[in-house]
Amino acid sequence: KAGVTQTPRYLIKTRGQQVTLSCSPISGHRSVSWYQQTPGQGLQFLFEYFSETQRNKGNFPGRFSGRQFSNSRSEMNVSTLELGDSALYLCASSGGTGQSNEKLFFGSGTQLSVL
Amino acid sequence: DQQVKQNSPSLSVQEGRISILNCDYTNSMFDYFLWYKKYPAEGPTFLISISSIKDKNEDGRFTVFLNKSAKHLSLHIVPSQPGDSAVYFCAARVYSGAGSYQLTFGKGTKLSVIP
Repeated sequence: KAGVTQTPRYLIKTRGQQVTLSCSPISGHRSVSWYQQTPGQGLQFLFEYFSETQRNKGNFPGRFSGRQFSNSRSEMNVSTLELGDSALYLCASSGGTGQSNEKLFFGSGTQLSVL
Repeated sequence: DQQVKQNSPSLSVQEGRISILNCDYTNSMFDYFLWYKKYPAEGPTFLISISSIKDKNEDGRFTVFLNKSAKHLSLHIVPSQPGDSAVYFCAARVYSGAGSYQLTFGKGTKLSVIP
């Protein structure tokens, strides 16, 4: 079974630009979550999508948005990029049923650098 | 307000000895706790978890202990191996409504196992 796939692996943008990141979950998984990891900050939750609907959202500005398609693939968009948006963006998938033993499976991430 | 804290950014242990990684939390509504391991340039991978109704869970060389009254959990690795060198994230789960659970991560502890 293929794991969570994130593209692109690396991205360099300049301030003010926008960027779109892509995530393909594990086959059969309906929930996709996005996390931002910056040095020394751990993983901070951005949002979760389930069956094409945003089900949960973290404390990030409206410049950060996402969507999920009918095949459960998800995209994340960041508009008007700022230097502080430089980070590793991680996508994670799960069944989304909320069962106690449910685990998140992470992709390798997209490393975004904003210059 | 950091709800999940890993107060040790790094830890060095001799091969064959015990590694103990600690995690403190503040939110009494967390119902499930997980540990993830992360190698450089890879996404986090699930290691072991524990329900809030238990105080111990073992899986091979890995054991997680939960002390609810102290709001503290720890991960024990015995014996430690060089391949265990990675960043370890503690995560706690809370129900956030609409069938969605949210994971809150600590900032991670970098474990170095010295041969």
